[in-house]
Amino acid sequence: AQTVTQSQPEMSVQEAETVTLSCTYDTSESNYYLFWYKQPPSRQMILVIRQEAYKQQNATENRFSVNFQKAAKSFSLKISDSQLGDTAMYFCAIYGNKLVFGAGTILRVKS
Amino acid sequence: GAVVSQHPSRVICKSGTSVKIECRSLDFQATTMFWYRQFPKQSLMLMATSNEGSKATYEQGVEKDKFLINHASLTLSTLTVTSAHPEDSSFYICSAVARGQGATDTQYFGPGTRLTVL
Repeated sequence: AQTVTQSQPEMSVQEAETVTLSCTYDTSESNYYLFWYKQPPSRQMILVIRQEAYKQQNATENRFSVNFQKAAKSFSLKISDSQLGDTAMYFCAIYGNKLVFGAGTILRVKS
Repeated sequence: GAVVSQHPSRVICKSGTSVKIECRSLDFQATTMFWYRQFPKQSLMLMATSNEGSKATYEQGVEKDKFLINHASLTLSTLTVTSAHPEDSSFYICSAVARGQGATDTQYFGPGTRLTVL
């Protein structure tokens, strides 16, 4: 079984500042992948970043980076230089044998 | 690349009627497509997995006879909600995994279909 926990229902950040979204997970799979997806008000799911669990190096995509702590089963997302367009629901997800999502964190970027 | 479309984007129907939702991979062939359901302010819940040319695999608690899935080609999967009732009103999202293109674990999502059953 796979579970994903996002303990922050809502967060706010000022434009240009940095924010970190938390995510913990549990899985019985030995090989798995972790994702952060963004769902803006349009409701289109957008892939933000992907991490292969067997890789120790943290994934980065421009202003987005992760802190992957495998032993602690933690997978947080850091957004640097936050922009108004980053306002969205953010879902942490794990793929072992299927994709399982966390409950999501609503992020509001304020000007 | 990796664009997935859904049609229609919104549909309103009367209780007891059937509704078909199409999911297409526009610029890639999809070995596997998935159907999710999302209630307001909630997460996505996997309903079923469909592979081209074979029967869909449904998640526990999802009625196979109510949510018919057909994956007739490598670019098209359809979800038919049969005898729809108001409790079937929801946001339905499909996703697809690209065939032979990099990671087979990464799903690309369609824009979703809002179904309202009156």
